[in-house]
Amino acid sequence: DTEVTQTPKHLVMGMTNKKSLKCEQHMGHRAMYWYKQKAKKPPELMFVYSYEKLSINESVPSRFSPECPNSSLLNLHLHALQPEDSALYLCASSGGVAPKETQYFGPGTRLLVL
Amino acid sequence: QKEVEQNSGPLSVPEGAIASLNCTYSDRGSQSFFWYRQYSGKSPELIMFIYSNGDKEDGRFTAQLNKASQYVSLLIRDSQPSDSATYLCAVTGGSARQLTFGSGTQLTVLP
Repeated sequence: DTEVTQTPKHLVMGMTNKKSLKCEQHMGHRAMYWYKQKAKKPPELMFVYSYEKLSINESVPSRFSPECPNSSLLNLHLHALQPEDSALYLCASSGGVAPKETQYFGPGTRLLVL
Repeated sequence: QKEVEQNSGPLSVPEGAIASLNCTYSDRGSQSFFWYRQYSGKSPELIMFIYSNGDKEDGRFTAQLNKASQYVSLLIRDSQPSDSATYLCAVTGGSARQLTFGSGTQLTVLP
């Protein structure tokens, strides 16, 4: 089973709202990721959690705040977003050891900021 | 800066033909190479990964890696209309957890 789940599937929020995206995996993977993908572009890495600790932050604005409550869950807290933040937000998890470590993506949350 | 280049397409092939998707990368230290398929409006789905020189086959898909030429390809045999999607090449370098993606190749298989 290589399933990563994400909720909600769709989200519409105003620029003053606070919302959270959730991601869950039960594959025993110890690394989890947030990506942002704009239309007709490849995914852009935002954050990496390794063993529940933030290991990579790709200079993401502070209006995006990740959280890893445990090894199966990953959240992305959103606050004061801008319309240009509208995108598909993808969660991924990875297992195995390099060079065989492989990332599996969830279905994504499509976010629209008004 | 690490770069991954793909022929952006779009690439059209008739049903039953072989589709050939190509990818080059700039970082000689790259270790692992992945092909993801992404249907419009959906998330990327892993098709294959390869980390040793040569060919790796899985059903109708064959991944080919040539580290000396810094080249990786994906062949899709007996292409079907359901193969119509964007194919993303991704590469890991020093960190197994940092994927660098190419811009993707849009493939259309014509019935």
